[in-house]
Amino acid sequence: EAQVTQNPRYLITVTGKKLTVTCSQNMNHEYMSWYRQDPGLGLRQIYYSMNVEVTDKGDVPEGYKVSRKEKRNFPLILESPSPNQTSLYFCASKARDVDADTQYFGPGTRLTVL
Amino acid sequence: AQTVTQSQPEMSVQEAETVTLSCTYDTSESDYYLFWYKQPPSRQMILVIRQEAYKQQNATENRFSVNFQKAAKSFSLKISDSQLGDAAMYFCAYRSAWVDYKLSFGAGTTVTVRA
Repeated sequence: EAQVTQNPRYLITVTGKKLTVTCSQNMNHEYMSWYRQDPGLGLRQIYYSMNVEVTDKGDVPEGYKVSRKEKRNFPLILESPSPNQTSLYFCASKARDVDADTQYFGPGTRLTVL
Repeated sequence: AQTVTQSQPEMSVQEAETVTLSCTYDTSESDYYLFWYKQPPSRQMILVIRQEAYKQQNATENRFSVNFQKAAKSFSLKISDSQLGDAAMYFCAYRSAWVDYKLSFGAGTTVTVRA
């Protein structure tokens, strides 16, 4: 089954404690992205990756890091989380083919930073 | 940068009736894609319908149809014969034909279906 998986699904942490949210896809997609969803703002892109070792900032990258060492994995790293990073996070993947316009979304990770 | 505006934070519809969600967008590009996503309480993002800007014909998927007005930069979603399972948040999204790794989303519209 084609899918994007994220872990954990829920996370409560404290300010400053480093955390990683994992994302994995089994569709051999080149493109992967992280979005955050906040009330009244919709989803905003944090970082994206066009292939292994190729990453770039999206619209709201401050306070986040990513890496793409393997094609299937795209972890999101918060080195020093702050309360304003409390949000719902989605990982997404897409094939590079210009006709393949379907983004596959993970199930979401609800993060609370106290 | 493209902006997507959904001016209706909430909409309510009686079961079996029709509801229309509005979406406008701002772009200087001529080639792009527009989408409506459904997010039920499970939080899963589900693609409802897509529209290619170069196609004049409005897309339809069963009870879901769009009214795409390219000159007005408007992309509304009509849900016909509303069902309880249609209750969700709906997001309008834009994707450039040239920047195909990014979706720009509106703020969302919460749809409530009354039995």
